[in-house]
Amino acid sequence: DAKTTQPPSMDCAEGRAANLPCNHSTISGNEYVYWYRQIHSQGPQYIIHGLKNNETNEMASLIITEDRKSSTLILPHATLRDTAVYYCIVRAYLTAGNKLTFGGGTRVLVKP
Amino acid sequence: EAGVTQFPSHSVIEKGQTVTLRCDPISGHDNLYWYRRVMGKEIKFLLHFVKESKQDESGMPNNRFLAERTGGTYSTLKVQPAELEDSGVYFCASSRDRLSHEQFFGPGTRLTVL
Repeated sequence: DAKTTQPPSMDCAEGRAANLPCNHSTISGNEYVYWYRQIHSQGPQYIIHGLKNNETNEMASLIITEDRKSSTLILPHATLRDTAVYYCIVRAYLTAGNKLTFGGGTRVLVKP
Repeated sequence: EAGVTQFPSHSVIEKGQTVTLRCDPISGHDNLYWYRRVMGKEIKFLLHFVKESKQDESGMPNNRFLAERTGGTYSTLKVQPAELEDSGVYFCASSRDRLSHEQFFGPGTRLTVL
């Protein structure tokens, strides 16, 4: 699976949008971008995934660049409960097993 | 629908002892995964079951770790004998089938080996 690079930490103001970047310059054509987060003392939680197109669900939006070498997770209105470590993971779908390869993630602190 | 459950939530044992962790996946989920985070490190994949069969056990650190999933329902992960470096948080996750994009994680078992 392609390697991802994320900033180690970032702060965000409550109520504002949080934009979390991720670089995955070696991504292959059959690899998806997945985002998970881990709130303190809980297990990781799936947020969203995408291949080429931008995606949106009730939790977040995922913007993938046209060349697919980077993406941004957007939390539209961050709340204190969004404080967590956010992981960007690139994984081939169906062809290379289903395991997730976690990196260091971005530690997001939402401040009042 | 109940989520993934893990038991115990915490376990403290002495080096050389045996510990068995249990994971109950979401009902109907064929795929079950074990991951762990040891102190200061990233979350690492251990192995993947499809029903009762081991699909991928490439992440198992050594033969002190034994995972089973008899009957394709719950799974156990036994560490025997436990070493200090086994301390960490062990996560279990499940997904419905091989087409599923989302893995559902349990809360984890925190293992402390003294």
